[in-house]
Amino acid sequence: NAGVMQNPRHLVRRRGQEARLRCSPMKGHSHVYWYRQLPEEGLKFMVYLQKENIIDESGMPKERFSAEFPKEGPSILRIQQVVRGDSAAYFCASSPRQNTDTQYFGPGTRLTVL
Amino acid sequence: AQSVTQLDSQVPVFEEAPVELRCNYSSSVSVYLFWYVQYPNQGLQLLLKYLSGSTLVESINGFEAEFNKSQTSFHLRKPSVHISDTAEYFCAVSEKNTGNQFYFGTGTSLTVIP
Repeated sequence: NAGVMQNPRHLVRRRGQEARLRCSPMKGHSHVYWYRQLPEEGLKFMVYLQKENIIDESGMPKERFSAEFPKEGPSILRIQQVVRGDSAAYFCASSPRQNTDTQYFGPGTRLTVL
Repeated sequence: AQSVTQLDSQVPVFEEAPVELRCNYSSSVSVYLFWYVQYPNQGLQLLLKYLSGSTLVESINGFEAEFNKSQTSFHLRKPSVHISDTAEYFCAVSEKNTGNQFYFGTGTSLTVIP
């Protein structure tokens, strides 16, 4: 059973470009969470999605950031018009149900904005 | 919202010496507690977790943590560290009835000195 997969592992963008980060949850998991880790900080929750629904986006910046988890395919975190402050590691986690006692984390995507 | 405090940002320790990494949380509600380990340029791996029952939980590689409800703490300990334990350690909390997100501390960088 493959773990949570994220791609790309490393992404370099210039200011103003768009960044798309993908997350495939573990098999059988329909709940996905995105976290951001800024340099020398802990992980901060961004958004929680179930298939085709955003359940909690309380941690998402109000502008430029969006997330989706379509019926088919991976979850996508999209950052439009990236700025240097968006440089961070973005981690995806998945769980088999809500109110879970465990979240399984992917290896992360390290975004660098030049 | 939860607050997780890891007071020690960096902990250097000699090989085979004991170590304690401290974690305190703010919750007044029932929580699940976790320690994750992050090796350089890798994702988070679950080290151990407290869900219920015995307040002392152990990992397969010799770490243990004790849930102390009165002090709202979940300190991580190991009686004898190895070079391979060098990594970043994150304490995390989720709320039992609304566990949609994990709240992470800022991390403790453990460096084992030969």
